Order: sequence, then C-alpha cells, then structure tokens
Amino acid sequence: QVQLQESGPGLVMPSGTLSLTCAVSGVSISSSNWWSWVRQPPGKGLEWIGEIYHSGNTNYNPSLKSRVTISIDKSKKQFSLKLSSVTAADTAVYYCARREFGVNFDYWGQGTLVTVSS
Amino acid sequence: DIQMTQSPSSLSASVGDRVTITCRASQSINNYLNWYQKKPGKAPNLLIYTASSLQSGVPSRFTGSGSGTYFTLTISSLQPEDFATYYCQQSYSTPLTFGGGTKVEIK
Repeated sequence: QVQLQESGPGLVMPSGTLSLTCAVSGVSISSSNWWSWVRQPPGKGLEWIGEIYHSGNTNYNPSLKSRVTISIDKSKKQFSLKLSSVTAADTAVYYCARREFGVNFDYWGQGTLVTVSS
Repeated sequence: DIQMTQSPSSLSASVGDRVTITCRASQSINNYLNWYQKKPGKAPNLLIYTASSLQSGVPSRFTGSGSGTYFTLTISSLQPEDFATYYCQQSYSTPLTFGGGTKVEIK
C-alpha cells in the first residue's frame, strides 16, 4: 500500500532553515502524481506549501515562495522541503501528501511537528 | 488566489443528526472541490473528491454536491466517529487553498 513518511529535526532555530524529507513507498514516485507539502500551525487550519512532479516541475504558495525549495530524489524515492529564514510563525505540523493525478490529496504522511524556537 | 469560505466554523450536533457544511469559492472552480476529515493528531482523510465522488472506503452517509462556487458536504446520520473538523479544498488552480474548517462537536 502507498505510504509516506516524514523525517527531519523537530526543533529549528529562528532565522534558520527547516529541512524535511518524505519517503515514498508502495507507489512509483515517477507516477502521474504531484508530491506536496501541507502544514497546520497549532490551533489553525491547513496551508498548502507547494509541490513537485517527478520531472522536477514545482508549484509554490506565493506567500512562502521566496523561502521555499522542494526537490525530488527519484533514486531514493523521496522528496524534500526546505524553508529558510524561519520564525515562530512557521511552527506547525508538516505533512507530506500525494496529489493524485493533480486532483486530490489521497495519501498523507503521519505529520511531524516542527517547532521554531531558540 | 482562490479564497475558500466555509460555514459554519463550528456546530454542535447529536448522534443521528443530519449535518450540512457549506463551502464557497471566490470564483468558479467547476467541480474541483475536495472534502477532508481531520482529527487531532491524525493526518487529514479524503472523504469526497471532485465535489461528489466518494473516496473508496468512506461510508455512504457522506455525500458531496455542488459546482461552480457553491458546495456542500452532508452527513446523513452523524456517528460518534464523525466528530472532527472538516475542510474543503480547491484543486482548480495553484496556489491550492483550503477552507478555514468546520468543527463538528457533540451536543
């Protein structure tokens, strides 16, 4: 079955760079899907961060675009998120997800809490 | 960006009640509207895609309808496991956007 698993530091210093990786199993990362990052700050709603296709094409949320980089490593079956110049406002649970055929998020990782604090 | 507005933001209901949540888009999104259920500590779970298609494994008491700018999610008979927060999400264009959520609480 399709599984996604986030990994990365749970604590990031202010002004530092948040780095997360999502390992994909049970499906080819080169299939016709977009691979996304979504976050949820404590007590708030869901926010789409951006996504990548196996070709390397990306889409980013304009509100974060200047700070976000999403990359893919097909040989390792994983994709990654880097968010620079983080502040406390970036504290959130970060999810990776598959956007099936560019329509809906049908598979999600379990989520990982990243706290920005000194 | 396409803004998604859900109402109500919260509601209280009893087991067995019929519940309807609405979602409005700031412009037409055809039927590119998905619904998710979110429980604390869990990842969102896809319920309905393309406005009215039931995701595999989701109980039939969940139905979605609408097109253009107005959409609804209906739970025909609320069950104890349905108490959660529900989000709509448009996939018509990037940036992908979610509604603010509707928290369904026990009356």
